[in-house]
Amino acid sequence: DVKVTQSSRYLVKRTGEKVFLECVQDMDHENMFWYRQDPGLGLRLIYFSYDVKMKEKGDIPEGYSVSREKKERFSLILESASTNQTSMYLCASSLSGYSPESEKLFFGSGTQLSVL
Amino acid sequence: DAKTTQPNSMESNEEEPVHLPCNHSTISGTDYIHWYRQLPSQGPEYVIHGLTSNVNNRMASLAIAEDRKSSTLILHRATLRDAAVYYCILPYNTDKLIFGTGTRLQVFP
Repeated sequence: DVKVTQSSRYLVKRTGEKVFLECVQDMDHENMFWYRQDPGLGLRLIYFSYDVKMKEKGDIPEGYSVSREKKERFSLILESASTNQTSMYLCASSLSGYSPESEKLFFGSGTQLSVL
Repeated sequence: DAKTTQPNSMESNEEEPVHLPCNHSTISGTDYIHWYRQLPSQGPEYVIHGLTSNVNNRMASLAIAEDRKSSTLILHRATLRDAAVYYCILPYNTDKLIFGTGTRLQVFP
């Protein structure tokens, strides 16, 4: 069964801390994505990556960075966590290409991050 | 960017059919229409996608209007496990999917 695994289900951090959210997929997908989900706002794209060492900004990249050193792993980094980054973070992956199959996203279960 | 419009919430009784509407009047000719759902405490999962013709799979059916400006996700017999947020999505920049706020479906026994 295909799988996207996020390292933590719940995470509590303090303001100013550096936070790493890890995501691993076992489907050999080229594309990986980080979203955040907030009540009333739906899912918003933070960053995505089309290949190893490549990254592109999504709609709300401010305050975040990402790292993709290996194909299967995509990390989201909060350099200095702030309370407005308290949210559910969702990682997803997909195949590359220009077809509806390549647009199909596979999501992890999410990490609920609380910044105090 | 093509956008979608969905009702915020809908209700259904168990065993009844559910029709979840979506408007996408700015859809381009090559955009596929995707549907995902998000069960409580889980990430979204793929439900179905289509271009022009109606589509069926084991989870649902997708009815697409002839002018493609709207579509309807059909759950033929709702169960309690179908209670979720349903997202109708068009691709942005070829292979990115942009999610809106979706329709929260409540299913009553």
